[in-house]
Amino acid sequence: AQKITQTQPGMFVQEKEAVTLDCTYDTSDQSYGLFWYKQPSSGEMIFLIYQGSYDEQNATEGRYSLNFQKARKSANLVISASQLGDSAMYFCAMREAPAEGYNKLIFGAGTRLAVHP
Amino acid sequence: AAGVIQSPRHLIKEKRETATLKCYPIPRHDTVYWYQQGPGQDPQFLISFYEKMQSDKGSIPDRFSAQQFSDYHSELNMSSLELGDSALYFCASSPSRAANEKLFFGSGTQLSVL
Repeated sequence: AQKITQTQPGMFVQEKEAVTLDCTYDTSDQSYGLFWYKQPSSGEMIFLIYQGSYDEQNATEGRYSLNFQKARKSANLVISASQLGDSAMYFCAMREAPAEGYNKLIFGAGTRLAVHP
Repeated sequence: AAGVIQSPRHLIKEKRETATLKCYPIPRHDTVYWYQQGPGQDPQFLISFYEKMQSDKGSIPDRFSAQQFSDYHSELNMSSLELGDSALYFCASSPSRAANEKLFFGSGTQLSVL
């Protein structure tokens, strides 16, 4: 079963506007972490924001915020005041904390964001 | 601050050749992960190490092997290379296995098999 689902293969946004990238996840663990990474065309994987399963408040990091709805198992990324440099692939990822075993990061398929001037 | 270092940055090989990718994790990080990202794909987990011991295996072909050395650097060895092995290979490290710890990624090694 798919653990992380990103239903938007591509998104367009006008510069200075806000955009929401969707992410839903599937886990039976109570303790888990949700992450968003940005991958520009140069290829590196850049950490953006983190949300813990026990965090009651939505995470924010500058222009990035995470709309965390635990009951719906969604962790959408909101980018405010989009900039041309935000054009990139965005991956939602999850790290579980099983009682045994070692917890790798599982990625969604990604959303390619294009910011237009 | 020190980051995860991967070498080489780019590698071109012919079919059936072998390749070795190297990864130097951030100092004092106890876990190392290898990922493979094909063109237009999301990163796929290959293998991980915790305190120099293999801890988890993903979709890693039998032609691939990896190890972590006493200085914590890791190497991914790939033999009998196939065209389909062309991909971006990431190494990542983490300070712990906790769910709230992010993975720090290296810049990746772009492998092209001709």
